[in-house]
Amino acid sequence: AQRVTQPEKLLSVFKGAPVELKCNYSYSGSPELFWYVQYSRQRLQLLLRHISRESIKGFTADLNKGETSFHLKKPFAQEEDSAMYYCALFNQGAQKLVFGQGTRLTINP
Amino acid sequence: DSGVTQTPKHLITATGQRVTLRCSPRSGDLSVYWYQQSLDQGLQFLIQYYNGEERAKGNILERFSAQQFPDLHSELNLSSLELGDSALYFCASSGTINTGELFFGEGSRLTVL
Repeated sequence: AQRVTQPEKLLSVFKGAPVELKCNYSYSGSPELFWYVQYSRQRLQLLLRHISRESIKGFTADLNKGETSFHLKKPFAQEEDSAMYYCALFNQGAQKLVFGQGTRLTINP
Repeated sequence: DSGVTQTPKHLITATGQRVTLRCSPRSGDLSVYWYQQSLDQGLQFLIQYYNGEERAKGNILERFSAQQFPDLHSELNLSSLELGDSALYFCASSGTINTGELFFGEGSRLTVL
């Protein structure tokens, strides 16, 4: 069975400081991982996917198969980054997207 | 707005009752997904439909059922409601099956009293 773990329910950092939101997974197959974000009063939306290795809004995430991690990072946090962040794994066999519990990120001015 | 739309936005009902939540996918999307988000459980996958056919099933209770109609809208039926069914129910859609890239609606908040 697959599992996605986000160990921090809450994370608070100061503006300009680096941010790292942790995500660990367990999955027997080849993982497809995603980060979704929900800003205040907005719907849940895709932030980035590991396959494209892109940087969105300054965020990057590297898949580390050895550590089974997919941490989300940003070198300099901005106030508009305050949101709920969800790590998700796509289970190819079961054809379902499984989410972690989410981390609420607060950027303090 | 051609995004995913869900109705109603809020619903308050009593234990033992039955409710229906409705979802219209993005224009052109054939896949519809239902998720339940409660405080202690996070986002839990319930069920997926593709072009009217059930494709994948998650932790959906027997009291819950869903379907996707020929016009591609979907309904989630929740019956014999219990207090623990109070949650935010999200619908999402995608243009293809077998993808983790979903487009979400704003959710329907169900409160069971």
